[in-house]
Amino acid sequence: EAGVTQFPSHSVIEKGQTVTLRCDPISGHDNLYWYRRVMGKEIKFLLHFVKESKQDESGMPNNRFLAERTGGTYSTLKVQPAELEDSGVYFCASSPPLAGGPNEQFFGPGTRLTVL
Amino acid sequence: LAKTTQPISMDSYEGQEVNITCSHNNIATNDYITWYQQFPSQGPRFIIQGYKTKVTNEVASLFIPADRKSSTLSLPRVSLSDTAVYYCLVIGGFKTIFGAGTRLFVKA
Repeated sequence: EAGVTQFPSHSVIEKGQTVTLRCDPISGHDNLYWYRRVMGKEIKFLLHFVKESKQDESGMPNNRFLAERTGGTYSTLKVQPAELEDSGVYFCASSPPLAGGPNEQFFGPGTRLTVL
Repeated sequence: LAKTTQPISMDSYEGQEVNITCSHNNIATNDYITWYQQFPSQGPRFIIQGYKTKVTNEVASLFIPADRKSSTLSLPRVSLSDTAVYYCLVIGGFKTIFGAGTRLFVKA
């Protein structure tokens, strides 16, 4: 079974440009999460989808970030316009429907974003 | 959400048992204790999860005392490939908060 995949693996853009990151969760996983780690900091939660609905977007840093999950399958995270402080590694994770306790989240390899 | 405290780093030698202890003094009744492992350039990987007492799987054991204010991840007979960052998380529901983790370095 394929794991969580993310595209691209690396992205280098200039300040002010737009970048779209994609995440394909494990098939059948209703829950999809986005996290990011900026240089030297801890992994931070960004948001959580249940199918196509945003369950919790309390971690989104500002309105330059837009996450979507059309049809409840893959998800995209768009940064527009990108700023220098957006550089970091963006992780996506997915988990099956909750059943009796927190689910194991399966993480993708991450997208390393560099904003110059 | 409960905050966790764990050692910043640990060193060990191949074949030794490694125990990493995590403190979570304000854990809530419905919180579970979960450990993840992360290698460089990879996403975190689930190791083990428990609520109380002891949980064991093919990779590790998790010891949780009765008051649940701490937990210990035990890795039996570590190898060089166990060098990684280990995160202790206290999770209630879906939201996951990562701390700084413990950087384990296994030496030959």
